[in-house]
Amino acid sequence: KAGVTQTPRYLIKTRGQQVTLSCSPISGHRSVSWYQQTPGQGLQFLFEYFSETQRNKGNFPGRFSGRQFSNSRSEMNVSTLELGDSALYLCASSPGEATYFNTEAFFGQGTRLTVV
Amino acid sequence: TQLLEQSPQFLSIQEGENLTVYCNSSSVFSSLQWYRQEPGEGPVLLVTVVTGGEVKKLKRLTFQFGDARKDSSLHITAAQPGDTGLYLCAGVSNQGGKLIFGQGTELSVKP
Repeated sequence: KAGVTQTPRYLIKTRGQQVTLSCSPISGHRSVSWYQQTPGQGLQFLFEYFSETQRNKGNFPGRFSGRQFSNSRSEMNVSTLELGDSALYLCASSPGEATYFNTEAFFGQGTRLTVV
Repeated sequence: TQLLEQSPQFLSIQEGENLTVYCNSSSVFSSLQWYRQEPGEGPVLLVTVVTGGEVKKLKRLTFQFGDARKDSSLHITAAQPGDTGLYLCAGVSNQGGKLIFGQGTELSVKP
């Protein structure tokens, strides 16, 4: 079955713009989590959605937001982009709620965002 | 705040050598996962350890969870160039189940 699909794979934006990233989880998976990966900070948790509800949020400013649709697809939005937002944004899906993360999380290939 | 410290950050070895990567915390985790990430790809789960003292083997890779569930190690025997990649440990947080990742160990195995 198809894996986690993230689009677009690469994105270049200018400071001050906004961006929307998309994640399609594995069919049947209801939980989607988003992570930001940078060389300096590593992988940091952004937020998690389960059944269209945000269940958990990391320590990121309000410029970072997300949502999940009824088909479990998720989008994250970053407004007023800053140079420091340049990173690889990864989404992970799992069958159940991430609270029970003893089950496997499947990551997509990520979206490489560059802010210039 | 729960943190995971991973060491070493970088490791460059010759094919056939053994190596160990460490993942340490002052906090207790309900479980700990190890991932491997290749350039341009997302992390892929290698193993989940749940019970303190647990040891799991995956071919030449041996994973151990500390008795107190605060630390873990990954040992690779007779490393091969195909083992090259970024190894990440991740603990399941006690705050809602999010994953807390270590900084990663960049492993390079030269033929």
